[in-house]
Amino acid sequence: DAGITQSPRHKVTETGTPVTLRCHQTENHRYMYWYRQDPGHGLRLIHYSYGVKDTDKGEVSDGYSVSRSKTEDFLLTLESATSSQTSVYFCAISVLPQELAGDDNEQFFGPGTRLTVL
Amino acid sequence: AQKVTQAQTEISVVEKEDVTLDCVYETRDTTYYLFWYKQPPSGELVFLIRRNSFDEQNEISGRYSWNFQKSTSSFNFTITASQVVDSAVYFCALSEPFRDDKIIFGKGTRLHILP
Repeated sequence: DAGITQSPRHKVTETGTPVTLRCHQTENHRYMYWYRQDPGHGLRLIHYSYGVKDTDKGEVSDGYSVSRSKTEDFLLTLESATSSQTSVYFCAISVLPQELAGDDNEQFFGPGTRLTVL
Repeated sequence: AQKVTQAQTEISVVEKEDVTLDCVYETRDTTYYLFWYKQPPSGELVFLIRRNSFDEQNEISGRYSWNFQKSTSSFNFTITASQVVDSAVYFCALSEPFRDDKIIFGKGTRLHILP
């Protein structure tokens, strides 16, 4: 268990309001990711982070920003939520492999946050 | 560019039948990882397997088996003697650890096991 939690688990908000989702991990993993899951699209990467204050965009980053001021927390912010951002959001972590033949770097996912924008 | 294709959107089989879920990937790197995840109706993502690009040995874990073939860029997943509890969405995924370690997912295959 990689000790990944997400908060809130469910949220309903109105169009135009700011929303921040939090991902918290307890094992100091370097890489963290935010995905959204929508029917017919699978999971799509929004943003990711490879260290404190080091972040980069994924394939669907428009309308989202992220911050990583501490190793354990990766925040996803919708500055002005839109109905198209209604989705299930997953946070994930991975460990940079030290040895390719090792079997210790699994990709772990948080439990997900269901966001509804009305 | 990275890409994962799961051509089967939805599959239905009768319990106890064997079923194979297909996964085809594209990558520029020689070093990469392939994954399978299960997402049951409860919604969480459950890690099933990770395979690195240097290990083409097939893997068997109970009723689950995986066939990795670099020649066809495929990483197929077979469930033997399927059970109703296997009903879920299954995702194949790819990462390139020496590029950025992003996980790129296929769109998933929804598997229905009928009693």
